[in-house]
Amino acid sequence: DQQVKQNSPSLSVQEGRISILNCDYTNSMFDYFLWYKKYPAEGPTFLISISSIKDKNEDGRFTVFLNKSAKHLSLHIVPSQPGDSAVYFCAATWGTGNQFYFGTGTSLTVIP
Amino acid sequence: DAGITQSPRHKVTETGTPVTLRCHQTENHRYMYWYRQDPGHGLRLIHYSYGVKDTDKGEVSDGYSVSRSKTEDFLLTLESATSSQTSVYFCAISEKSSGTFQQFFGPGTRLTVL
Repeated sequence: DQQVKQNSPSLSVQEGRISILNCDYTNSMFDYFLWYKKYPAEGPTFLISISSIKDKNEDGRFTVFLNKSAKHLSLHIVPSQPGDSAVYFCAATWGTGNQFYFGTGTSLTVIP
Repeated sequence: DAGITQSPRHKVTETGTPVTLRCHQTENHRYMYWYRQDPGHGLRLIHYSYGVKDTDKGEVSDGYSVSRSKTEDFLLTLESATSSQTSVYFCAISEKSSGTFQQFFGPGTRLTVL
């Protein structure tokens, strides 16, 4: 059973506009969430994370929002750039962080 | 770059043959992981290790075994490869500092089982 879900397999956005990637989770034990970016033929790279004690974390053009009551998080990219075109995975963990659970990924295409 | 390498990077093998994938890290991380990535499934944990000779199963461990005899090396073995094990395999390490977690991934191994 998928505990972390990304229901949009793909997303296309114009360069300069906002990209919003969504992620839902079912396990209320999760207390730490991460976003990764993956280019073809490469391993995923860490992008940004958020602890459940916060509802927002920002790093440059990337902001992650967490809505614990809805078990939902989103990644905002503003402004979107062609180099942001990649597959984005959200992931979750809890406690000591021994295991990470990943969503199925959203393929973002930023159109120049 | 967390100093993670995987070998081989590509492998084609036949059903029923044993296969071993190697993950090597240079930064003495305690936790190491093996994932597989498949379309429609994202990244799924196969096994992980929390120290030398200390390993545990992930959500898709059937048909796989692991070993960690040294801190820097984590081996994934398919005892008898099947076509359903055709996938891209990623090794990862994790770090925890000041209440934050990160995982760093290797470049991946593309395995094809004919």
